[in-house]
Amino acid sequence: EDQVTQSPEALRLQEGESSSLNCSYTVSGLRGLFWYRQDPGKGPEFLFTLYSAGEEKEKERLKATLTKKESFLHITAPKPEDSATYLCAVGGSQGNLIFGKGTKLSVKP
Amino acid sequence: NAGVMQNPRHLVRRRGQEARLRCSPMKGHSHVYWYRQLPEEGLKFMVYLQKENIIDESGMPKERFSAEFPKEGPSILRIQQVVRGDSAAYFCASSPETQANYGYTFGSGTRLTVV
Repeated sequence: EDQVTQSPEALRLQEGESSSLNCSYTVSGLRGLFWYRQDPGKGPEFLFTLYSAGEEKEKERLKATLTKKESFLHITAPKPEDSATYLCAVGGSQGNLIFGKGTKLSVKP
Repeated sequence: NAGVMQNPRHLVRRRGQEARLRCSPMKGHSHVYWYRQLPEEGLKFMVYLQKENIIDESGMPKERFSAEFPKEGPSILRIQQVVRGDSAAYFCASSPETQANYGYTFGSGTRLTVV
């Protein structure tokens, strides 16, 4: 059964303190690894798609990387506005996404 | 270009009533997906629809839940005889027919509270 596990559940950082979020996955065949950002009371906002081990993508202070078993979302010099829940998902066989429970990130000024 | 529109944003129903949640996909998108997010849980896939067709409903509870995406109008997720356990945020997402990478666009959700 396809499964996604994210860690840590919650992460508190000081502004400027870089860190990484982890997403471990077990799938029968990878159809893409997806990162979303979700703010309170809103729907998930698409960030990145990764398809093959070694692939990397960047957007502002965020960088996503992928290995055969896990993905990392690196946050460099975060700002308070980066506070959100970050969701990781893998593509299912019918176009659906299988999500982890998310990492709630808080960045304090 | 408006995003995925869901309404209502908040819905309160008494136990035993029916809940109807609506989703209008982005312009040009013909694929719709419904997800449910329970408190402290991740997003769970419910159903995948194209116009007038249910493609995959493997995540839908067997009873009380149904979904449709008619030729005209929004997609509807219908929950009959709601129970307290149905309280959750329900999100709709859409993608264009040619979308191959699942990076579809989500709406802001409908928060259902059953009292």
